[in-house]
Amino acid sequence: DVKVTQSSRYLVKRTGEKVFLECVQDMDHENMFWYRQDPGLGLRLIYFSYDVKMKEKGDIPEGYSVSREKKERFSLILESASTNQTSMYLCASNRRGFYGYTFGSGTRLTVV
Amino acid sequence: AQKITQTQPGMFVQEKEAVTLDCTYDTSDPSYGLFWYKQPSSGEMIFLIYQGSYDQQNATEGRYSLNFQKARKSANLVISASQLGDSAMYFCAMRTPGYSSASKIIFGSGTRLSIRP
Repeated sequence: DVKVTQSSRYLVKRTGEKVFLECVQDMDHENMFWYRQDPGLGLRLIYFSYDVKMKEKGDIPEGYSVSREKKERFSLILESASTNQTSMYLCASNRRGFYGYTFGSGTRLTVV
Repeated sequence: AQKITQTQPGMFVQEKEAVTLDCTYDTSDPSYGLFWYKQPSSGEMIFLIYQGSYDQQNATEGRYSLNFQKARKSANLVISASQLGDSAMYFCAMRTPGYSSASKIIFGSGTRLSIRP
């Protein structure tokens, strides 16, 4: 069964902490994406990657960075967590040339 | 700019009735694709249906159909014979032409559908 795995389902961090959200896919997909989901706003794209070590900013990259050292793993980094980054974070992947995503089950991050 | 609009924040429907979830989109690109995803309370995003901009016929998948009206830029989801398990958040989404070989998907704000027994 193919899947996208996000390492934590729930996470509570303190303001100012450096936070790593990990995403691993086992489908050999070239493209990987990080979204955040907030009520009334839907899903908004933070960053995406189309190849190892390649990354592109999405619509709301401020306060975030990403790392893709291996094809199967895409990490989202909050350099200094703030309370307005409390949200549900969803990772997704797809194969180049295919349009639909496979999503992970999400990480609900609370910054206190 | 590309945009997806879902104007129904929430809907209540009686079990076994058909339901239509509204979605309008805005893009100047001739090539695009439209999706619907379902998100139950468990949080996972489940792909339901896809319509390409050049597809001649409306997409159907079991009880789901996409009412694609290109001139009006609408892509409504129709669920026939609703079931209690259809209660969830539903997102309309659009694939935007990709650069750097990655085609992004933008999402609407979602509609929360509740099915009454």
